[in-house]
Amino acid sequence: NAGVTQTPKFQVLKTGQSMTLQCAQDMNHEYMSWYRQDPGMGLRLIHYSVGAGITDQGEVPNGYNVSRSTTEDFPLRLLSAAPSQTSVYFCASRRTSQGHTEAFFGQGTRLTVV
Amino acid sequence: AQSVTQLDSQVPVFEEAPVELRCNYSSSVSVYLFWYVQYPNQGLQLLLKYLSGSTLVESINGFEAEFNKSQTSFHLRKPSVHISDTAEYFCAVSEVGSGSARQLTFGSGTQLTVLP
Repeated sequence: NAGVTQTPKFQVLKTGQSMTLQCAQDMNHEYMSWYRQDPGMGLRLIHYSVGAGITDQGEVPNGYNVSRSTTEDFPLRLLSAAPSQTSVYFCASRRTSQGHTEAFFGQGTRLTVV
Repeated sequence: AQSVTQLDSQVPVFEEAPVELRCNYSSSVSVYLFWYVQYPNQGLQLLLKYLSGSTLVESINGFEAEFNKSQTSFHLRKPSVHISDTAEYFCAVSEVGSGSARQLTFGSGTQLTVLP
């Protein structure tokens, strides 16, 4: 039971570098999302997708891009990393985009930008 | 728009003592309510949820939460905690309704530390 798989688990970037955080789910879930977790702030929504080819912005989208070419994959791209993007990133999926459905989370990517 | 407030950022408690983690929410429409738990270096996992019906919901490991609509609260309780309950607990809310996507909004989290 793989569930939601995120790679890498850890990453250090220099300011200005770009990178892609990978997320894949094997549950055929319609809805996928990216959150960042910062101390004392809980989880904040970056971007989300309600299906292949459809993405939208969350609460804190600036500096990040996403795409959803397949149901399974939802990569998050950092265009030009900044120290303010140092955080733990979580990918999550839900069976549908309706509010009652349970969210399943990956194990997270700890990103440090120096 | 919806919001969630978890007033206690840290709750230390001795093993076998009772604990309550507080959660209050704000929303202009009806909501679903959730508690997620995050063990060290792991992702979040669902602990329990309130969708409708009985306002008291329980988890398989002894936690319970009660939905109080008049006080807009969904506090989490356990009568006797174990060392293994040490984790961060997040309260979350999502709006009831169909059509557009319903986002999950999280509180800032409460770190529960169970002391021997």
